[in-house]
Formats: sequence, structure tokens, C-alpha cells
Amino acid sequence: EAGVAQSPRYKIIEKRQSVAFWCNPISGHATLYWYQQILGQGPKLLIQFQNNGVVDDSQLPKDRFSAERLKGVDSTLKIQPAKLEDSAVYLCASSLSSGLTGELFFGEGSRLTVL
Amino acid sequence: KQEVTQIPAALSVPEGENLVLNCSFTDSAIYNLQWFRQDPGKGLTSLLLIQSSQREQTSGRLNASLDKSSGRSTLYIAASQPGDSATYLCAVRGAQKLVFGQGTRLTINP
Repeated sequence: EAGVAQSPRYKIIEKRQSVAFWCNPISGHATLYWYQQILGQGPKLLIQFQNNGVVDDSQLPKDRFSAERLKGVDSTLKIQPAKLEDSAVYLCASSLSSGLTGELFFGEGSRLTVL
Repeated sequence: KQEVTQIPAALSVPEGENLVLNCSFTDSAIYNLQWFRQDPGKGLTSLLLIQSSQREQTSGRLNASLDKSSGRSTLYIAASQPGDSATYLCAVRGAQKLVFGQGTRLTINP
């Protein structure tokens, strides 16, 4: 079974530029998450989708971050304009269960460096 | 607000030792707790998932326990190997989002 796929693995941009990350969850997984992991910290949830609807985006900086999951499968996370503090690894995860008991499976992550 | 703490932040032990990693959480109203492993520059690999009704889960040399009333979980690693070197994170699922600890960076010395 293929895992969660993410691209690109690495991205270096200058501040005020834009960047987009892509995620393809495990086939059949209805729930998709985007997490931000700053070096030395645990991941922090940015947004959670159930199919193509947003369940939780309370910690998403909506003035610069946006995410979509069209057709309830792939998802993209965009940052525009980027700030220095956005340097982090962006992790995508998916879960089969739509409830609160499901196991999460993570991708390899997309490492962003903002100069 | 749920807070998850992992102590110590880093641990170094010789190969072959049995060891315990700790995870504590402030709100005992949880649905489950999940332990992950993260290698440098990589994503998170799920190790064990313990539902709130369970006391422990085992997978190979790993055993995770859960004590909801005291807000604690432990991950026991038997007969440690250099390949076990990684950062171990616990994550607690409550009524809202999954909350992660900051992780314990484990080094197994040959």
C-alpha cells in the first residue's frame, strides 16, 4: 500500500515570495491534515479536512496561508507571502477514520527555508 | 487546553539496554494516544496507537502503556539497537486536535 506522498521535499525561497506544497493521501483516507513542524518542536496542526470540507483551521494563519482539497483527494497548501518564521517542515497526514480514534499516517514532509 | 510533555528531551544509552520514554498530558479526557518515530529529515512513522479503553499495546520490542487517570504514557524499548536512534514523539487525541509533545531524541551507542 502506497503511503502519503508529498512534494517538493525541499524548497528555498526569499521572504515575500510564494510557495505551494502538494499532498496525496493514502487511497481511501477521507481525513487529511497539514502540520507545521518547526525545528526542535512537535508538529502543530494547521488545517484538517474531512473529504473536501474543512473541519479545523483555527491555527492556520489565514492572512498568508491557504489550503484546499478539491475532489476530496489531493491537497495543496500555499503560503503567500512567506515570512522568515515560516521556515519549517510541512507534514501531511491522512487517516482512514473520520472519527477521533483513527490512526494517523504521515508523509516525508516538505522542508521550507525562507531567506 | 491539552498540554503534552516529554521528558527527557534527549537520552543516550549503550546498545542492549532496556529503556523507557515518558509522556505526560494534562487533560485525561482523551480518545487515544499515539507514539511516533521521526528520523532526521524524515516524516513521522507510527509505532503504536493506544485507544482510551486500552492499557497497553505491544509491537515487537516496543511496549506502550497508558494510564489516563494519572495522565501518563510510557514507551518501553527492549534490547535497544543503534537503529533505534531517532526522535520519539507522543501525540494525544482529545475532543479537538491531536496534540504532540516536543519529543525525546534517543541515541543508542554501539
